[in-house]
Amino acid sequence: SQQGEEDPQALSIQEGENATMNCSYKTSINNLQWYRQNSGRGLVHLILIRSNEREKHSGRLRVTLDTSKKSSSLLITASRAADTASYFCATDSTREDYKLSFGAGTTVTVRA
Amino acid sequence: NAGVTQTPKFQVLKTGQSMTLQCAQDMNHNSMYWYRQDPGMGLRLIYYSASEGTTDKGEVPNGYNVSRLNKREFSLRLESAAPSQTSVYFCASSGRADGELFFGEGSRLTVL
Repeated sequence: SQQGEEDPQALSIQEGENATMNCSYKTSINNLQWYRQNSGRGLVHLILIRSNEREKHSGRLRVTLDTSKKSSSLLITASRAADTASYFCATDSTREDYKLSFGAGTTVTVRA
Repeated sequence: NAGVTQTPKFQVLKTGQSMTLQCAQDMNHNSMYWYRQDPGMGLRLIYYSASEGTTDKGEVPNGYNVSRLNKREFSLRLESAAPSQTSVYFCASSGRADGELFFGEGSRLTVL
């Protein structure tokens, strides 16, 4: 079964607005990762946050992690048309190294 | 730098036919993975190889076999294809157990 679940399933925003998506997971993790997938392409790694970190930034991306709630959020600020993609969270498990489990993803559409 | 290369990119099979999906990485990574992606399901792990010479089952291994031919190559074989195996298959590699995954561009398989 999938470890992570993203919310919402789909998001449509205007260029320049911020996009926020959430990920919930079930078991204890070592780290949580976010990936982007453009239509018809492979996944690209965006950011990794470890279980002992609460917040991490990378360019226009901000990721938070709340291990007590087993949840994470990805914020994309000042969105651009090029941010149109599906975004996936991926979690490992403290009991199963190497097995990265992906959620079903959030599809983000940025309107010009 | 090619990264992760998958072949073929597209394939149509008839039920009962067999085929092998090839994957090669040039990043000297120890770990390699095969995922399948179906609409609304996210990515599900089929098999993985933590290091050369080892392979382990993932979430959905039934109907598949794998071979870690050497450190660079990790192949996925469908012995008797079924329509339920129609999917997009992604190969990925990682340099560390808790590190980011590098994905290929995917192999789109249709089983009639």
